[in-house]
Amino acid sequence: DAGITQSPRYKITETGRQVTLMCHQTWSHSYMFWYRQDLGHGLRLIYYSAAADITDKGEVPDGYVVSRSKTENFPLTLESATRSQTSVYFCASSEVKLGLASSYEQYFGPGTRLTVT
Amino acid sequence: KNEVEQSPQNLTAQEGEFITINCSYSVGISALHWLQQHPGGGIVSLFMLSSGKKKHGRLIATINIQEKHSSLHITASHPRDSAVYICAVWGGSSNTGKLIFGQGTTLQVKP
Repeated sequence: DAGITQSPRYKITETGRQVTLMCHQTWSHSYMFWYRQDLGHGLRLIYYSAAADITDKGEVPDGYVVSRSKTENFPLTLESATRSQTSVYFCASSEVKLGLASSYEQYFGPGTRLTVT
Repeated sequence: KNEVEQSPQNLTAQEGEFITINCSYSVGISALHWLQQHPGGGIVSLFMLSSGKKKHGRLIATINIQEKHSSLHITASHPRDSAVYICAVWGGSSNTGKLIFGQGTTLQVKP
């Protein structure tokens, strides 16, 4: 399917377990982003990637790990899940061509609802 | 103070009313994003603006770069417009593609 997809859509896990959330986009966008959305905080950037093998921290990176070995995939791993990581996670992608404002538009995946018990 | 401020935070309207949601920002920007999120749903891009005005159906977005302000208007509102509307901007000198988000405006349109 064309577009941006996330899996799983729903996940329940226990404290201390490792969890990986997957994100896949078919546009070959250079930029990809992971956000978490919590009541009272809105959307917060966890990590982003400007290209394959290039990643950088966002606003709330602690407890998360990312990788980007292929342009189309950007998995997010919670190394040892905590209850505070219960949230809805959104992946997004964007082309971001310098000087072309329209290329900055971000396209969001459907989200993954993660519950850590 | 947040770099991107939206007002109002919550808005209740009757079907058919004209609705305005405001976004003010303090950072220099390349472009501004209006996003829509229905309850329990995904996030959809409504508009991407760098100047002037855009219109899609009943939705109109305007931006005034000098005043650092944008508005989202909904004409002839309908209950299906009930959603959270989010304003987001990119830092003007930053080419990282990172967005700075407002807190969102929760709109409820009653039939």
